[in-house]
Amino acid sequence: ILNVEQSPQSLHVQEGDSTNFTCSFPSSNFYALHWYRWETAKSPEALFVMTLNGDEKKKGRISATLNTKEGYSYLYIKGSQPEDSATYLCALFTGGGNKLTFGTGTQLKVEL
Amino acid sequence: DTGVSQNPRHKITKRGQNVTFRCDPISEHNRLYWYRQTLGQGPEFLTYFQNEAQLEKSRLLSDRFSAERPKGSFSTLEIQRTEQGDSAMYLCASSLVLSGPLNEQFFGPGTRLTVL
Repeated sequence: ILNVEQSPQSLHVQEGDSTNFTCSFPSSNFYALHWYRWETAKSPEALFVMTLNGDEKKKGRISATLNTKEGYSYLYIKGSQPEDSATYLCALFTGGGNKLTFGTGTQLKVEL
Repeated sequence: DTGVSQNPRHKITKRGQNVTFRCDPISEHNRLYWYRQTLGQGPEFLTYFQNEAQLEKSRLLSDRFSAERPKGSFSTLEIQRTEQGDSAMYLCASSLVLSGPLNEQFFGPGTRLTVL
């Protein structure tokens, strides 16, 4: 059983703050790490798919890094806005069975 | 709308009743997945199809659960004799085989099931 962990479980920040979350995963049999953003009452939205050690990806104010040797990924949000409020999920793909193994998510609340 | 759609969005049922959910994937996607998310957990894999063939089922999928994808397009997930522990968000996702090791999956909005 794969263990994908995310921290913190929840986070409250003020508008304009920068924040970051952690996703930890077993480094063996690594194929890809996915980050999703899931707003209430909407579909989970894909943010990044990362495959290479040292990968850095950026989308607007959101960026992510990947360390496959030590088994972690960081997601950063610069200058948080209320519309960033959502649950951020990471998911590991190991190539076996084609399924994604998700972490429990980090719930972000950005307050005015 | 070319995204993944799920119906119904919400379902409230009494314990012991049968329920069926439907998922319509992105039209050219040949893989379809079902996940379940319970409170405080991330989505957990239930099963997946490639075209009409069901290729993998999780141990989470008890005998009361059955999924079909009869023509390789939409899929249904049926739960028989529902129990309170079945209360969860049921998510559907689709992907292309050609996405290879990236396995990029596109999710629907989910069906929230409440069993009273």
